[in-house]
Amino acid sequence: DAMVIQNPRYQVTQFGKPVTLSCSQTLNHNVMYWYQQKSSQAPKLLFHYYDKDFNNEADTPDNFQSRRPNTSFCFLDIRSPGLGDAAMYLCATSQTPGGAGGYTFGSGTRLTVV
Amino acid sequence: QQPVQSPQAVILREGEDAVINCSSSKALYSVHWYRQKHGEAPVFLMILLKGGEQKGHDKISASFNEKKQQSSLYLTASQLSYSGTYFCGTPQSLSGGSNYKLTFGKGTLLTVNP
Repeated sequence: DAMVIQNPRYQVTQFGKPVTLSCSQTLNHNVMYWYQQKSSQAPKLLFHYYDKDFNNEADTPDNFQSRRPNTSFCFLDIRSPGLGDAAMYLCATSQTPGGAGGYTFGSGTRLTVV
Repeated sequence: QQPVQSPQAVILREGEDAVINCSSSKALYSVHWYRQKHGEAPVFLMILLKGGEQKGHDKISASFNEKKQQSSLYLTASQLSYSGTYFCGTPQSLSGGSNYKLTFGKGTLLTVNP
């Protein structure tokens, strides 16, 4: 089945230790997104790629970076995680920027910072 | 700009109906609806496009009134499996071009009890 796969499912990292989250998709969708979701809150957009065009939200911390080496893969790098970065990180894809067919989300990576 | 959802939470008994509302202060061209179960990723339910259409997904349907800039999600004869948090999402244009991002409301927690 075509899908969006995130690894790892759970990630524990030390305060200040760089961490990378990965996302892959077999849907061949043009657009990929990274959302951060804290407990009982709405998903908050961090970055998105339309093909190779990169967009980051104005309020995305400088601590967060992203890479999309090819259509299928996308990475979220957190250079120096703080306690406030503990959250669920969701990768999503859509065929078009407006998401006419809806967004497909991966299962998420739950990040714990100790 | 984040869409506004109401109510924040609703508790039902199995078989009862519920309505969840989503409104925006900006012009809407489409509205997405997603359901997220605890600890899982959001799942796309449906998208409503401008034109006042109503769509259905099993016993879940939705309407979209672009003039009033609002959408409503109707859950009929609720089942235990309907429990979760429902998010509406509204695409917003980036830099006036054809690139969009989806902004989610704060969510409505629906609990269906036996």
